Amino acid sequence: QVLLQQSGPGLVRPSQTLSLTCTISGDSVSSNSAVWTWIRQSPSRGLEWLGRTYYRSKWYSDSAASVSSRTTINPDTSKNQFSLQLNSVTPEDSAVYYCVRLVGSSWFDSWGQGILVTVSS
Amino acid sequence: DIQMTQSPSSLSASVGDRVTITCRASQSITRYLNWYQQKPGKPPKLLIYGASSLQSGVPSRFSGSGSGTDFTLTITSLQPEDFATYYCQQSQSTPYTFGQGTNLEIK
Repeated sequence: QVLLQQSGPGLVRPSQTLSLTCTISGDSVSSNSAVWTWIRQSPSRGLEWLGRTYYRSKWYSDSAASVSSRTTINPDTSKNQFSLQLNSVTPEDSAVYYCVRLVGSSWFDSWGQGILVTVSS
Repeated sequence: DIQMTQSPSSLSASVGDRVTITCRASQSITRYLNWYQQKPGKPPKLLIYGASSLQSGVPSRFSGSGSGTDFTLTITSLQPEDFATYYCQQSQSTPYTFGQGTNLEIK
């Protein structure tokens, strides 16, 4: 059974960087079949895919065009984790953030518990 | 980006009813369509993948069908624990996108 445990602050100041970490149990961040993703959910934007990282003989990371200029998603193989950094946040980035495993022909089968991040001064 | 549109946005039904939720994609996604259930304060839970494959552990009263642009999620004989919000999601191409959700309420 895969468990994803998220950590990070619940409050971030405007223009600062949102940083979240997802610790994986029951699978490996270096898996050749899984893709490790970040999704957020807010009343105004619904469920929004932010980006992913995955290993297929080498590491790949990419993100949604709407946030790509501000987003970094990285694996940490020593800790079996992956992380999200979102720079220059505004109140519109306030949302519940989830780390999620994607498998097969791209379905999200394991979700972290979610962290509510509020961007406010 | 592929837009996903669900209907209805909300639905009232009674225990024992059969309900159908529809999801339409803005372009063909063949069968790259997944369904999730979400309860308040919890992350979404995968119900159906590949348009019609039942995720392990999900009751057989849930079923999915469709291909191309039009898909349905059907719940036969609603149980009290089925009252929740349901989302479709396309996995044809990134950015993966979700429908806006269908809130299933008790009548």
